[in-house]
Amino acid sequence: DIQLTQSPSFLSASVGDRVTVTCRASQGISNYLAWYQQKPGKAPNLLIYAASTLQSGVPSRFSGSGSGTEFTLTITSLQPEDFAAYYCQQLNSFPLTFGGGTKVEIK
Amino acid sequence: QVQLVESGGGVVQPGRSLRLSCAASGFTFSSYAMHWVRQAPGKGLEWVAVIWYDGSNKLYADSVKGRFTISRDNSKNTVYLQMNSLRAEDTAVYYCARGLQYRLDVWGQGTTVTVSS
Repeated sequence: DIQLTQSPSFLSASVGDRVTVTCRASQGISNYLAWYQQKPGKAPNLLIYAASTLQSGVPSRFSGSGSGTEFTLTITSLQPEDFAAYYCQQLNSFPLTFGGGTKVEIK
Repeated sequence: QVQLVESGGGVVQPGRSLRLSCAASGFTFSSYAMHWVRQAPGKGLEWVAVIWYDGSNKLYADSVKGRFTISRDNSKNTVYLQMNSLRAEDTAVYYCARGLQYRLDVWGQGTTVTVSS
């Protein structure tokens, strides 16, 4: 199984900050990586797919990059509604796997 | 609008069974693979199972293989998850999600399963 390691697991930031979350795969997954945002009590919401493609309707302050084994999710100018948990997921092979998550909280 | 609505969750004793349903609307259900993903209380996301658009292939996480069965009825726009021999560690919110290449793009609101005596 492909393991995804997200870092950091917890992040404290202020409104307006630039935030970067990293996801490392245990083996190469090309660009078969998606990023999701999840708010408490809600279902995950797709932000980025194919490592760098912004899902329709997602604000442009979210961006993704990477290929192979290392990927990043960047939020430029963090907004109040961005405080949430973020998960990466690999769709290169089954079983599909998720990273452990990154919780972004208000400093 | 595109929507997935799960149902069938509840409290069940260890060793018993439960069947979850996920009703789809707003898109051509028979054209898409469908997934189940779960989230234990306070934990991260765990992929559970997938069924191909036509039901021809089904894959499972090792943690549920042999106990859970995914199925679909394209005439009813519904995907199911039959859960047998339930264990305490199956306690979670269960989400169904639409599958596309590179992502799960539409998710239901989730249904809660609690396995407890």
